[in-house]
Amino acid sequence: ILNVEQSPQSLHVQEGDSTNFTCSFPSSNFYALHWYRWETAKSPEALFVMTLNGDEKKKGRISATLNTKEGYSYLYIKGSQPEDSATYLCALPPDAGNMLTFGGGTRLMVKP
Amino acid sequence: NAGVTQTPKFRVLKTGQSMTLLCAQDMNHEYMYWYRQDPGMGLRLIHYSVGEGTTAKGEVPDGYNVSRLKKQNFLLGLESAAPSQTSVYFCASRQQGARSEKLFFGSGTQLSVL
Repeated sequence: ILNVEQSPQSLHVQEGDSTNFTCSFPSSNFYALHWYRWETAKSPEALFVMTLNGDEKKKGRISATLNTKEGYSYLYIKGSQPEDSATYLCALPPDAGNMLTFGGGTRLMVKP
Repeated sequence: NAGVTQTPKFRVLKTGQSMTLLCAQDMNHEYMYWYRQDPGMGLRLIHYSVGEGTTAKGEVPDGYNVSRLKKQNFLLGLESAAPSQTSVYFCASRQQGARSEKLFFGSGTQLSVL
């Protein structure tokens, strides 16, 4: 079983603050890393899928970077808004197969 | 376009009862997955399927069975429900192919076993 760790578990920020959190994973046998955004009472939705060391992805105020050699990915949110409040999940395939192993998530709460 | 649809959305069972959760997708996806979500545990894979007629075990398969008789449907069965199976269940699907293909999720089924 792949060990995928996310930190922090939860985060409270004020509207307008920029924030970032981390997904850590074993650096060997890397295939891909997924980021999902999960709002309360909704289903998770894909933000990014990253496959190459040094990859940077951006979607509006949200961006992500990937370092496969050291085994981590950062998710950044610039100028947080209350609508950014959600749990952010990262996931990786543990091997060459078809599963995806999820981390425990980072729960972000943005206060207006 | 409905995407991934799960039924039912809520269910309460007594210990020992059985039930089936249905996942249906209209995107012609080959791969389908059942996850459970528990507080502090993230999403854990129960079973998955890589095509019609195939199933495989995930991380936490005990107490569950699955079937994929039609490509668009993936059923999750609980033969004898236990309180430890109280959870929120999510179905997901994705296109055949690379591990970089993103998952599309259903809206979840909240199951309570008393």
